[in-house]
Amino acid sequence: AQTVTQSQPEMSVQEAETVTLSCTYDTSESDYYLFWYKQPPSRQMILVIRQEAYKQQNATENRFSVNFQKAAKSFSLKISDSQLGDAAMYFCAYRPSNTGNQFYFGTGTSLTVIP
Amino acid sequence: DGGITQSPKYLFRKEGQNVTLSCEQNLNHDAMYWYRQDPGQGLRLIYYSQIVNDFQKGDIAEGYSVSREKKESFPLTVTSAQKNPTAFYLCASRDWGGTDTQYFGPGTRLTVL
Repeated sequence: AQTVTQSQPEMSVQEAETVTLSCTYDTSESDYYLFWYKQPPSRQMILVIRQEAYKQQNATENRFSVNFQKAAKSFSLKISDSQLGDAAMYFCAYRPSNTGNQFYFGTGTSLTVIP
Repeated sequence: DGGITQSPKYLFRKEGQNVTLSCEQNLNHDAMYWYRQDPGQGLRLIYYSQIVNDFQKGDIAEGYSVSREKKESFPLTVTSAQKNPTAFYLCASRDWGGTDTQYFGPGTRLTVL
């Protein structure tokens, strides 16, 4: 079974500080994609960052970066210099490259940014 | 602008009625998906379609039906057989062969009265 686990239902961070959201996944595949999506109160799902499993280098998008640990099946998201607009639900997602077309989502982490 | 549109944004249905949610994309993506989102449960896959005239059941397909007659369109029908249809529904398309990333529409909130 392919599952994605986000063990932190809620997190909070002070504005301008750094926060890390955790994600682990279970798979027997060797090649796959990992994603973080943001869902603000508008409920529009927005891609934050994407990682290809065969790439050892961690993906970075401006203030957002990941810590991808393939052996540990861990894919955490670090948000630096947190801003009020970062407040949202964050979903981790996984997709195997070679088997099927499904994306598997975690249950989400609700991030609050404290002014 | 390229993107995915869903309509309506809010939909109300009486028990026993079928209702169809619209999803259109102009991203030229082959694959399209329907998800249901309930509080605390993340996204659950209802149906997906890789190409026109082909679609596959997801994890929670019972009580739903889809069609894929055009590449741009992937409507979802919530039938009276769906026992608890009140939820938020998200449509997505996938950039298959490119970045292999899903892009989402703004969603439809369905409420059964």
